Amino acid sequence: GQGVEQPDNLMSVEGTFARVNCTYSTSGFNGLSWYQQREGHAPVFLSYVVLDGLKDSGHFSTFLSRSNGYSYLLLTELQIKDSASYLCAVRDRGSGTYQRFGTGTKLQVVP
Amino acid sequence: EAGVTQSPRYAVLQEGQAVSFWCDPISGHDTLYWYQQPRDQGPQLLVYFRDEAVIDNSQLPSDRFSAVRPKGTNSTLKIQSAKQGDTATYLCASSRLGSAETLYFGSGTRLTVL
Repeated sequence: GQGVEQPDNLMSVEGTFARVNCTYSTSGFNGLSWYQQREGHAPVFLSYVVLDGLKDSGHFSTFLSRSNGYSYLLLTELQIKDSASYLCAVRDRGSGTYQRFGTGTKLQVVP
Repeated sequence: EAGVTQSPRYAVLQEGQAVSFWCDPISGHDTLYWYQQPRDQGPQLLVYFRDEAVIDNSQLPSDRFSAVRPKGTNSTLKIQSAKQGDTATYLCASSRLGSAETLYFGSGTRLTVL
């Protein structure tokens, strides 16, 4: 079947890094987006990847492996305010232009 | 530019009551999406439009839910007879032609059905 999977929770220490994983199955991959969602707020777009490899955007970096159906979002130099849910969303030929979201990973950054 | 605007911000209903949600997308965005997000879950697509046309409503519970975008701008999502299982946040998002990888979300309507 077609799905987007993410771990429920992740905890990391302030000043270090966190890697948020996403695995997906699709009938025809057409790009993957990452969003940040703070408690009680709407998702906010962070990054989009469609080609294999690492895309460095400073505080946020994203990696994609299409052959493995896998992506991760890497947050470096974590701050307490990075505590939020991180959602990945996949577009494929089956979904047209809409994005299928995973359940999200709740990241808690602790001192 | 102004963001996606949704109203109301909150709604509390008894089972069987009706409710409507309103969305004003970013000006110039041709595609509008309605997502349902239950607590602690990811957004799940209900329906989406390109201009005034429905592109996909296969996940919209058609016996009780309806959605329109008559002039290709604002949109209304209506629940005819709410159930407790409809308790969720209803998110509207829009995207620009050729940039469907970037969704801009409104603040959502948090619905509680008692």
